[in-house]
Amino acid sequence: QSVLTQPPSVSGAPGQRVTISCTGSSSNIGAGYELHWYQHLPGTAPKLLIYGNNNRPSGIPDRFSASKSGTSASLAITGLQAEDEADYYCQSYDSNLSGWVFGGGTKLTVL
Amino acid sequence: EVQLVQSGAEVKKPGESLRISCKGSGYSFTSYWISWVRQMPGKGLEWMGRIDPSDSYTNYSPSFQGHVTISVDKSISTAYLQWSSLKASDIAMYYCARHRAYSSSSGGDYWGQGTLVTVSS
Repeated sequence: QSVLTQPPSVSGAPGQRVTISCTGSSSNIGAGYELHWYQHLPGTAPKLLIYGNNNRPSGIPDRFSASKSGTSASLAITGLQAEDEADYYCQSYDSNLSGWVFGGGTKLTVL
Repeated sequence: EVQLVQSGAEVKKPGESLRISCKGSGYSFTSYWISWVRQMPGKGLEWMGRIDPSDSYTNYSPSFQGHVTISVDKSISTAYLQWSSLKASDIAMYYCARHRAYSSSSGGDYWGQGTLVTVSS
């Protein structure tokens, strides 16, 4: 059972917009700790997509955006492309654990 | 170019010891914490623990405390994850990740390619 909760899967057609939610609690997202998002193809290195709630590292297209409010956050992907098909994870810091916590991951399927 | 390069896949027997490595290059190794993350087959990412390479201070997830040891040799810019007695339940891909900033709450901006550990009699 992951500390952060994500939907197991989402899907969308090329060109469409999808969102992935991430729900936590008062000891992580709700405590004001930063929320980060990763794109992961199993067997490869996870890629940082969003850091510090809504910042994109260089090289990440602006099709990826994120927001955070209260104990929840969401990742939005616009203009879906086939190459976006991957697993997406949210991650924050938890004061009870004194370390990183992840969501269970969301598999994005591009139809 | 910042890189974290991990050691290769391992096949071990139950009860054997193992140490896998994560070598950093292209940056000041002692300026960024390193975390280790586990991914069991078909499952999500789990944080195991982290180390500050400047002073070797570590903290572990309660789920992994006492089961693994995280260490570092800053003279060769390498972090390690070690088991003294492997179990079948340790079968997983293990990733190292560099904290983007000098804080526990920052995300991982660079990740190793992963080390697959297989435990089988």
